[in-house]
Amino acid sequence: SQKIEQNSEALNIQEGKTATLTCNYTNYSPAYLQWYRQDPGRGPVFLLLIRENEKEKRKERLKVTFDTTLKQSLFHITASQPADSATYLCALDMLDSNYQLIWGAGTKLIIKP
Amino acid sequence: EAGVTQFPSHSVIEKGQTVTLRCDPISGHDNLYWYRRVMGKEIKFLLHFVKESKQDESGMPNNRFLAERTGGTYSTLKVQPAELEDSGVYFCASSQAALRSTDTQYFGPGTRLTVL
Repeated sequence: SQKIEQNSEALNIQEGKTATLTCNYTNYSPAYLQWYRQDPGRGPVFLLLIRENEKEKRKERLKVTFDTTLKQSLFHITASQPADSATYLCALDMLDSNYQLIWGAGTKLIIKP
Repeated sequence: EAGVTQFPSHSVIEKGQTVTLRCDPISGHDNLYWYRRVMGKEIKFLLHFVKESKQDESGMPNNRFLAERTGGTYSTLKVQPAELEDSGVYFCASSQAALRSTDTQYFGPGTRLTVL
């Protein structure tokens, strides 16, 4: 079955630098890969979706890449700010079941002022 | 516009008791999903409603879990009888789109269930 790996250790980044988070999967590539942000005590908030045939997607300071050869997606936050501190989750839509997302455990990002 | 709401925010019950969680999706959203996150683990899909119909309930752990969505509006998830391993955070999400590529799911804040 599909497994998703996100760095379980917290990522500490200095304010202003670029934060890069990794999402690796094990089996065949998903049709869509999504990134979410989750703050303590809240539900996940959708950020970006990238399709299997897309290499890169951008939204303001966010950039997502998708490499089906490496079975990996990278999530970048440029000019990071303390307000970007949160847990970031990736989720895969395999399109082989009814709207079921497969989730990674998330990586906690800490932006230090 | 109000987001997805869930009630209660926390519930502490003893093993063997019954608990009912409620989710109110965003108005007009036909798709409603239930997820669960056990401590330290990833979020797991439980089931998906389209209006009042169960589209996919393959993620439901066992028959102690019963989800309903009468009238296609709010949904309830009942656990009866609750076991220790049912503890976790239960999230509800809703979406409007019929196309997978544009199906943005909006999540509620979750209900933290603790079974003692």
